[in-house]
Amino acid sequence: AQKVTQAQTEISVVEKEDVTLDCVYETRDTTYYLFWYKQPPSGELVFLIRRNSFDEQNEISGRYSWNFQKSTSSFNFTITASQVVDSAVYFCALSEDSGGGADGLTFGKGTHLIIQP
Amino acid sequence: GAGVSQTPSNKVTEKGKYVELRCDPISGHTALYWYRQSLGQGPEFLIYFQGTGAADDSGLPNDRFFAVRPEGSVSTLKIQRTERGDSAVYLCASSFGPVQYNEQFFGPGTRLTVL
Repeated sequence: AQKVTQAQTEISVVEKEDVTLDCVYETRDTTYYLFWYKQPPSGELVFLIRRNSFDEQNEISGRYSWNFQKSTSSFNFTITASQVVDSAVYFCALSEDSGGGADGLTFGKGTHLIIQP
Repeated sequence: GAGVSQTPSNKVTEKGKYVELRCDPISGHTALYWYRQSLGQGPEFLIYFQGTGAADDSGLPNDRFFAVRPEGSVSTLKIQRTERGDSAVYLCASSFGPVQYNEQFFGPGTRLTVL
């Protein structure tokens, strides 16, 4: 069965600090997809990134970067020079490829990130 | 364009009652998903539609839960004989197709409270 673990329940940092959110996943499939979503206080989930299991290249998008390591089954998310607007709950999620296409996502419990001014 | 919409935004009901939650996906999106999010938890997958048919309903917790999507667009999640444990935010998401190629767009959710 697939599983996503976000061990950090809550992280609090001061603005402009860098912060890394950890994500460890479990799956028996060789083909799978990893995601990060942001859930701000308004509640609506916002897609950040999708990664497939065959692409281990790290990705950078502005202040955001992602480190995918199959050897440790991890897909960590780093925010550089954090800002107050980054405060939210961040979810890591996994989808296995059943061959039929679009499986539902398995989410971790989320990490509540608090950026203090 | 309009995003995923869900109605009502809040629903309060009494234990044992029947409720219906509605989801309007983004126009043209063939895939539709229902999730349930309890306080302090991540969303939990319930059911996935591809067009009109339920392609995967393995996440429905029991036979009190049922969902339909008769015309391949709007979907309704139906809960019979509600229990206090059903209280949660019910999220709907839609996408053009498989998650490996397409982003899932989430709606704002319906907060269900069972008294």
